Amino acid sequence: AQTVTQSQPEMSVQEAETVTLSCTYDTSESDYYLFWYKQPPSRQMILVIRQEAYKQQNATENRFSVNFQKAAKSFSLKISDSQLGDAAMYFCAYRSANFGNEKLTFGTGTRLTIIP
Amino acid sequence: NAGVTQTPKFQVLKTGQSMTLQCAQDMNHEYMSWYRQDPGMGLRLIHYSVGAGITDQGEVPNGYNVSRSTTEDFPLRLLSAAPSQTSVYFCASSSLQFLGGAPGTDTQYFGPGTRLTVL
Repeated sequence: AQTVTQSQPEMSVQEAETVTLSCTYDTSESDYYLFWYKQPPSRQMILVIRQEAYKQQNATENRFSVNFQKAAKSFSLKISDSQLGDAAMYFCAYRSANFGNEKLTFGTGTRLTIIP
Repeated sequence: NAGVTQTPKFQVLKTGQSMTLQCAQDMNHEYMSWYRQDPGMGLRLIHYSVGAGITDQGEVPNGYNVSRSTTEDFPLRLLSAAPSQTSVYFCASSSLQFLGGAPGTDTQYFGPGTRLTVL
């Protein structure tokens, strides 16, 4: 079974600075997807960024980028130019690429606080 | 296009009561699932479905039933509510995954959640 570990329960960063959230995972599969979801106080789960394991290039979405290290099974999220609206819980998640195994396995989350 | 909708947003039950959490999606997604979110534990899969008439158990299925009579709807039933079922429940949907499938078919979309309290 796959597992996802987020070792930082809480992080804080000054507004406009850069912060990196860590995520490691364990799997025996070679094809899979990794995701970062954001959960603000509204409780809505919002997709931030996704990465296909077969792609070596790190995904980027505006101020959000990942550092995907497949051999190390590491998938960190970097938020540049942090904004007050980035304050939220962030969840790392794993999904197999195999048909019939679409479930998401989540980490326990990192609460990010933005300091004005 | 409403995406994934859930009702109700909040619910309080007494121990032993039954109820159904509703979930609907209008994206023609084959895959639908229910997760529960508890403090410090992330989201855990309760049940899932890969199409109408097909359901299966996830990680924490005890105390819950599901059915899938249409592509759009995937209700979650609590048969006899217990305090341990106090949680936030999320419904999610996506396309079925095929190796080499179109980009984005792997992404799951979540509903707004239902906060359930069992007294």
